[in-house]
Formats: sequence, structure tokens, C-alpha cells
Amino acid sequence: DADVTQTPRNRITKTGKRIMLECSQTKGHDRMYWYRQDPGLGLRLIYYSFDVKDINKGEISDGYSVSRQAQAKFSLSLESAIPNQTALYFCATSDFGDSTDTQYFGPGTRLTVL
Amino acid sequence: AQSVTQLDSHVSVSEGTPVLLRCNYSSSYSPSLFWYVQHPNKGLQLLLKYTSAATLVKGINGFEAEFKKSETSFHLTKPSAHMSDAAEYFCVVSPLGGNQFYFGTGTSLTVIP
Repeated sequence: DADVTQTPRNRITKTGKRIMLECSQTKGHDRMYWYRQDPGLGLRLIYYSFDVKDINKGEISDGYSVSRQAQAKFSLSLESAIPNQTALYFCATSDFGDSTDTQYFGPGTRLTVL
Repeated sequence: AQSVTQLDSHVSVSEGTPVLLRCNYSSSYSPSLFWYVQHPNKGLQLLLKYTSAATLVKGINGFEAEFKKSETSFHLTKPSAHMSDAAEYFCVVSPLGGNQFYFGTGTSLTVIP
């Protein structure tokens, strides 16, 4: 079984709809991240969380919110989706005890906003 | 400030020939450096990482990278390309002990039979 899972894997929605993307991990890591990937731009950080009570904005947090429901779960919400939020979204985890800060990625969620 | 520049957005090589994917970085602190690979419709997989130990780092699938502080480079190489190496490759920098990753824009590798 995959250590980092994301649901759904694909989602098509309409402008103005509320969307939640979910991430779960079995690695026991305390740090979790949400990124979006756009062609030619690499990955950009949306939000990150170092533990259940810690939430931090990343480079492009506008239009997004997150919830860390448990150490193993980190959800990303789009309160009112817009077409330029069409992208590939990745969740990642890392371990505070790993000084290299290696991140482990989920398989991604492809979101299309019409 | 941290940033990563991948010097080529696309690289094409023939099967069996060497691969060179170039990466330059800037970092205010001693960095950790990573290469990740993304195959079509897949997530990101760690290829290798540099964390202030040996400057020549060996990764999976025959890839390696050399950290050159004087040149602020961390180029990825492989002696002989295989068809299965066709993918998107990302160079990533993180300040050592820091808390964020900074991604390059990616290099798409095509392997020609």
C-alpha cells in the first residue's frame, strides 16, 4: 500500500463550487504539505503543517484553505473554485527527525475547474 | 533567499548515450539538494539527495549528481540512457534544517530509440 494517498485522483468541477482534496499518510510523519503543479512552473507550495496545531501559508495560499484533522490527515479546500485553479495537486510529508527534510509525495490529484 | 534554475526545459538523448540535466541553485544557507523524477501520470519519486556529506551522490537507476559549491551546481548525470528514463526531472533546494522546498521548473527528458 502507498504511504501517502490522495483522494480523489481526478476531479472535474464547475466555477464557484466548493472542493476538498484529501491526503492521508501512514509514514508517521509530523509534517505535511500541499503543492500545485502547473506546466512550466514546477511545484509551488500552497500550505504546510508541522503538526496538528500548526498551519502555515506557502507561496500561493490565496483561494485555498487547509485542515489538519489528525497527524495522518491533511485536507486542502477550494471554497469557490475558479478556472485558474485547474492544476495537478500534490500532498507531501516529511519527518521532523530527518535532518535532510526529504519529502515523500502522494500520486497527485488532477483538478479541472470549468 | 533560495532558488533553483534548471537550465534546460527539454533534453533529448539517444538510448545508450549519456544524460546530463543541469541545475544551478542559490541558497543563503548550507543547502540540502534533491533530484526528483516524475513519470507520466505518476507522483514524484526521490532519485537522490545531497546533505553536506560526500559531494558525489549516487541515486537509484544509475543516476548520480555532483555538488559543486564553487559553481553552485548540482547536475544530474547517467552514463547510459534507457527508454524508461523518459520523464520529468525536478531539482529541489532546501536550506539545511529548513522547512520548505524550492522547486526548479523541471526538465523533460526524451529518450530516442
